[in-house]
Amino acid sequence: KAGVTQTPRYLIKTRGQQVTLSCSPISGHRSVSWYQQTPGQGLQFLFEYFSETQRNKGNFPGRFSGRQFSNSRSEMNVSTLELGDSALYLCASSEGGLVALHFGNGTRLTVT
Amino acid sequence: KNQVEQSPQSLIILEGKNCTLQCNYTVSPFSNLRWYKQDTGRGPVSLTIMTFSENTKSNGRYTATLDADTKQSSLHITASQLSDSASYICVVMGNTDKLIFGTGTRLQVFP
Repeated sequence: KAGVTQTPRYLIKTRGQQVTLSCSPISGHRSVSWYQQTPGQGLQFLFEYFSETQRNKGNFPGRFSGRQFSNSRSEMNVSTLELGDSALYLCASSEGGLVALHFGNGTRLTVT
Repeated sequence: KNQVEQSPQSLIILEGKNCTLQCNYTVSPFSNLRWYKQDTGRGPVSLTIMTFSENTKSNGRYTATLDADTKQSSLHITASQLSDSASYICVVMGNTDKLIFGTGTRLQVFP
């Protein structure tokens, strides 16, 4: 099976712009979750989707949003980018329940 | 406040040696604890998942232990290899199903 695919791999944006990141989960996985990773804060949970419904949300401002499509693919959107949004954004998929998360290799976002 | 703390922050060992990484958490109530390995430039890879009732779980040369009473976990790596050089992240899930991540231990294995 193909692993979790995230696109693009790298992205450079300017403060104030918006960005959309994409995640294709492992085939058959209905749960997709998103994480932000920075050197200072480590990994932080953003949100989780299961069968197109947001099931859980972390403590991030409303500028961070996501959605999941009927084929389980997911997108994450960040509006009005700030310098502090520069980070590695990771997506993970699973079958749901107490099973391992399978992570993609992330999208490295740099905001200038 | 729910927190996960890992020690040491970084560790250098010689190839073939064993090492133990520590994880202390304050997450309550507790659901499960996970260890992940993250190579530079890659996403984390799951090593183990342990629930309240499990004390030990192994995955090859990796053995995780859990003491839910003292809220402590350890990851023991046996006969280290150069490919073990990575960051090791301890993750705890509470009853809200949200994952709380430790900041990781960076392990470097030298020949």
